[in-house]
Amino acid sequence: QKEVEQNSGPLSVPEGAIASLNCTYSDRGSQSFFWYRQYSGKSPELIMFIYSNGDKEDGRFTAQLNKASQYVSLLIRDSQPSDSATYLCAVRDTGFQKLVFGTGTRLLVSP
Amino acid sequence: DAGVIQSPRHEVTEMGQEVTLRCKLISGHNSLFWYRQTMMRGLELLIYFNNNVPIDDSGMPEDRFSAKMPNASFSTLKIQPSEPRDSAVYFCASSAGQGNVLTFGAGSRLTVL
Repeated sequence: QKEVEQNSGPLSVPEGAIASLNCTYSDRGSQSFFWYRQYSGKSPELIMFIYSNGDKEDGRFTAQLNKASQYVSLLIRDSQPSDSATYLCAVRDTGFQKLVFGTGTRLLVSP
Repeated sequence: DAGVIQSPRHEVTEMGQEVTLRCKLISGHNSLFWYRQTMMRGLELLIYFNNNVPIDDSGMPEDRFSAKMPNASFSTLKIQPSEPRDSAVYFCASSAGQGNVLTFGAGSRLTVL
């Protein structure tokens, strides 16, 4: 069973702080990794994706990938209350190319 | 572009009834994915199609579930007969190719009494 693991949270951070969200995956051959944000009652929306080891930055968001450790993370700088949502890590399966999601980490940013 | 369109948005039905969920892909997309989301199990892939062909249906819970893609832009997910444990939010997502980013529809919330 190929799995994607996330801490369910909630992760609570004060406004302006850095939120760090983590994800591990079991399929060592995975090549592409995605972070989606899901507000309560809404559908998942893509924040960013990463394919190569290292960091990838997009505005206040930074994705970090370490394939040797099978670990991907998302950093949110200057967290805002509007960032409060569930963050879903997704990994593309090397077999059928399907996207496997973790159960998500709930982030709460307090004013 | 209107995005991925799902209907109905909400469905309440009684156990044993047939349920049909519908999805219209984004124009130009050729891969379609059906996911089910529950609090306990998160977002689970049920089945996905590429160019109208089912590629992986290993996530379909049992024979009560079936999915079709009669043309390049439309898909249905049918549950017959429905059971209370089928209550969940069902998402359809599409992409321009199997390896590309998924765009999700708004979801169909199903409640089976």
